[in-house]
Amino acid sequence: IVLTQSPGTLSLSPGERATLSCRTSQSVSSFYIAWYQHRPGQAPRLLIHGGSRRATGVPDRFSGSGSGTDFTLTISSLEPEDFAVFYCQLFANHRFTFGPGTKVDIK
Amino acid sequence: EVQVVESGGGLVQPGRSLRLSCTATGFIFDDYAMQWVRQAPGKGLEWVAGISWNSDTIKYADSVVGRFTISRDNAKNSLYLQMTSLRTDDTAFYYCAKAAGDPTYFDSWGQGTLVTVSS
Repeated sequence: IVLTQSPGTLSLSPGERATLSCRTSQSVSSFYIAWYQHRPGQAPRLLIHGGSRRATGVPDRFSGSGSGTDFTLTISSLEPEDFAVFYCQLFANHRFTFGPGTKVDIK
Repeated sequence: EVQVVESGGGLVQPGRSLRLSCTATGFIFDDYAMQWVRQAPGKGLEWVAGISWNSDTIKYADSVVGRFTISRDNAKNSLYLQMTSLRTDDTAFYYCAKAAGDPTYFDSWGQGTLVTVSS
C-alpha cells in the first residue's frame, strides 16, 4: 500500500488553519493510521494514533480524521512551534509505511 | 520518563558492517515491540525493521532484507541493528522507536544516530 501526502509544502502564518492530507492506495482502517511531527534535529513526535486519537500531551488544536483512503490532520490555529514536517504512517502486515511528508513552513 | 538512546553510528566504507545499539529506560522493555526507522539526507522517514517483545516476530523492509539483522537483549534493555554489506544509499539517521502497547504506531523515539557510508 502506497501513502501519498499533499500538499508537499504548506506556507501559512501563525494563527492560520492547516489541513494536511494523506491518501492510501487501498482502503484501510483508520485504526492503523498515525501522524507524527518532525522538527529538524529532533526526534519525531507522535501526534495522532488510531486515525483520530491524540497522543498524551498533544494540544487539542491537533486533530485527525478520515476513513477509507482519505485521512486528514488538521491544526486549527498554528503556533510558532508547529512549523515542521508532518508524516502519516500506516501499519499493515506487521510492517510500517510512511508517507513522503508535508512541510508546514512560515509564510 | 521513557527514553531510548541510539549509539554506534559513524563513517563506514561501502561493503563493510556496522552495529547500532539502542538503550531503553523508563519502561518495562520486554513488554514492548521495538523498531528501527531511518531518514536519509533530504528524504522522509523509512521503516527499517521491527522485533516483537520476545523476538518471535521479526520483519524487515525490502530494502534491507538479507543485509540487516535486528535483535534485542531484554536483560540489558537493549535493541540492536547489525548492518552488513552497507551501501551508499544506507546513509541516514537511524532512529530507535518504541512501539506502543497496541503495536501499530511508535510512541517514543530516540534522537537518532548518523550512519554515513562513503569511501
